[in-house]
Amino acid sequence: GQQVMQIPQYQHVQEGEDFTTYCNSSTTLSNIQWYKQRPGGHPVFLIQLVKSGEVKKQKRLTFQFGEAKKNSSLHITATQTTDVGTYFCAGPYGGSQGNLIFGKGTKLSVKP
Amino acid sequence: GAVVSQHPSWVICKSGTSVKIECRSLDFQATTMFWYRQFPKQSLMLMATSNEGSKATYEQGVEKDKFLINHASLTLSTLTVTSAHPEDSSFYICSASRSPSSYNSPLHFGNGTRLTVT
Repeated sequence: GQQVMQIPQYQHVQEGEDFTTYCNSSTTLSNIQWYKQRPGGHPVFLIQLVKSGEVKKQKRLTFQFGEAKKNSSLHITATQTTDVGTYFCAGPYGGSQGNLIFGKGTKLSVKP
Repeated sequence: GAVVSQHPSWVICKSGTSVKIECRSLDFQATTMFWYRQFPKQSLMLMATSNEGSKATYEQGVEKDKFLINHASLTLSTLTVTSAHPEDSSFYICSASRSPSSYNSPLHFGNGTRLTVT
């Protein structure tokens, strides 16, 4: 079945270092969403990407949607301790209009 | 805006009893509510989709007689775990969407319910 794969599963960085998580789908996606879940908390919507090759920025966060709309990445510049949490990508099941299926997430820890 | 309230935050129950979890959208009308289950260090697994006034749609492998979902209004959905067993212990999270499907609309999640069955 369709899968949304995310790597790495864990990432430990020193505060100030950059961080990137990658998301890959087995099928072409109409859009992709990113969520952040803080330890002990619930997922919070970060952004949605729709267009092929789209790049969006939110302060130190840069989101990218691949040209083929089968992969995406989230890059954080100069991580801070407040960036700690698990980052999930999610794409529509069936690629188009199905409900979201989530990747396994990348857990980020930041050492001060 | 887009606040979703889930209650209770945590519950401990004995094996064989039933537990009801409530999910409310506080400041918007949720066309659709979704129930997820999250195992430790794992991703969110969609259990079912519910629309107000209609039967829930369950994902493959989810027992509909065990996980009863009622979507009484555009702001309230409930999940009842019937005859709970220790293997039902998990983190259950609801989310709400203004759209019929989650594919193109951000999901707003509740705080989750940590269920422990002893």
